[in-house]
Amino acid sequence: NAGVTQTPKFRVLKTGQSMTLLCAQDMNHEYMYWYRQDPGMGLRLIHYSVGEGTTAKGEVPDGYNVSRLKKQNFLLGLESAAPSQTSVYFCAASKLAGAAGGETQYFGPGTRLLVL
Amino acid sequence: AQSVTQLGSHVSVSEGALVLLRCNYSSSVPPYLFWYVQYPNQGLQLLLKYTTGATLVKGINGFEAEFKKSETSFHLTKPSAHMSDAAEYFCAVSDRSATNKLIFGTGTLLAVQP
Repeated sequence: NAGVTQTPKFRVLKTGQSMTLLCAQDMNHEYMYWYRQDPGMGLRLIHYSVGEGTTAKGEVPDGYNVSRLKKQNFLLGLESAAPSQTSVYFCAASKLAGAAGGETQYFGPGTRLLVL
Repeated sequence: AQSVTQLGSHVSVSEGALVLLRCNYSSSVPPYLFWYVQYPNQGLQLLLKYTTGATLVKGINGFEAEFKKSETSFHLTKPSAHMSDAAEYFCAVSDRSATNKLIFGTGTLLAVQP
């Protein structure tokens, strides 16, 4: 049982290049999330999904797109990378939550992205 | 809107000493509160959470936290620090919606000196 996995672990991009980060979970969880972690800023939510085929914007969505075509996968795309997108990206998954939330989010190991 | 403040971005303790990491929250509704730990070059792992019921919550690795509504706090403690506790610790509050979103604090890096 791998939990939440992320591909790739590390990537270097040049400004203007595009790439897709893959998150996969084998827990059959409904919800999935993409965060970025920057020094001194904690984790900030980029986009999230409450089910297959649905996505929504988080706190810092600009410059990113996402897709959830399959329940177990959540893809994060950068269409034209910028140095400001240098960060560590984390994916998380959680069970279906009740009206007030409170379910644990389970995190992947992260992807380190450097944009030159 | 919910928010979290973690006082002290860096905390250093001696091995065997008390660990106290501070977290204060702001919430317009009764909060759900979480502590996560991040070891170097790893993802976040849940230490403990408070949703309802007993205000003193025990977690993994000997950590515990107490929800104090009057102080709007959820401080994390451990009686005796171990070298393996060196990590970054994040407090988070749920947005109390069906989307299950979390709002994270900026983190506290714990160093344990021998």
